[in-house]
Amino acid sequence: EDKVVQSPLSLVVHEGDTVTLNCSYEVTNFRSLLWYKQEKKAPTFLFMLTSSGIEKKSGRLSSILDKKELFSILNITATQTGDSAVYLCAVEKQGAQKLVFGQGTRLTINP
Amino acid sequence: DADVTQTPRNRITKTGKRIMLECSQTKGHDRMYWYRQDPGLGLRLIYYSFDVKDINKGEISDGYSVSRQAQAKFSLSLESAIPNQTALYFCATSVLAGTGELFFGEGSRLTVL
Repeated sequence: EDKVVQSPLSLVVHEGDTVTLNCSYEVTNFRSLLWYKQEKKAPTFLFMLTSSGIEKKSGRLSSILDKKELFSILNITATQTGDSAVYLCAVEKQGAQKLVFGQGTRLTINP
Repeated sequence: DADVTQTPRNRITKTGKRIMLECSQTKGHDRMYWYRQDPGLGLRLIYYSFDVKDINKGEISDGYSVSRQAQAKFSLSLESAIPNQTALYFCATSVLAGTGELFFGEGSRLTVL
């Protein structure tokens, strides 16, 4: 059975801290791994990763994939209260053309 | 205006009632999906469709049915709602042979009493 597991499930830090969110997966025929941010309602796309070791970066957010060890991390540096959200990891399988999601990590940034 | 629109946004109903959640999109995408979100369980796929004549079950299709009335419209029905179908439901779209990225509606919160 395909599985995507995120850790921690919940994290509370102070503004300015750096956080690392983890996503591990066990799927057959891996194609890509995607990160989404969910604030109030609809998840919004952050990154898609397909190749090991190549960092994707957008401002203070960055992510990298390790296809050998089957995990990805999402880093957020100099966190701000606006980074408070649920972060979702999802894996797309070759040929399946649909995503399998992890449980999400709820990140709370306190001022 | 939202590219992916869900109606209703909130609904409270009673056990045994038939409920329909509707989704329409202006993105021109072929692929449409219905997910439900429960606390601590992430998003789970209910049904998906790659074009008007294509309907596929997801991982939790029992108790649900769908209809793809047009390329832009994909509705989800609960024939006889039960309390454990209380959840936040998302419609999503993606492009054919694209990146795998999903574009989500704002969600429909359903409460079954």
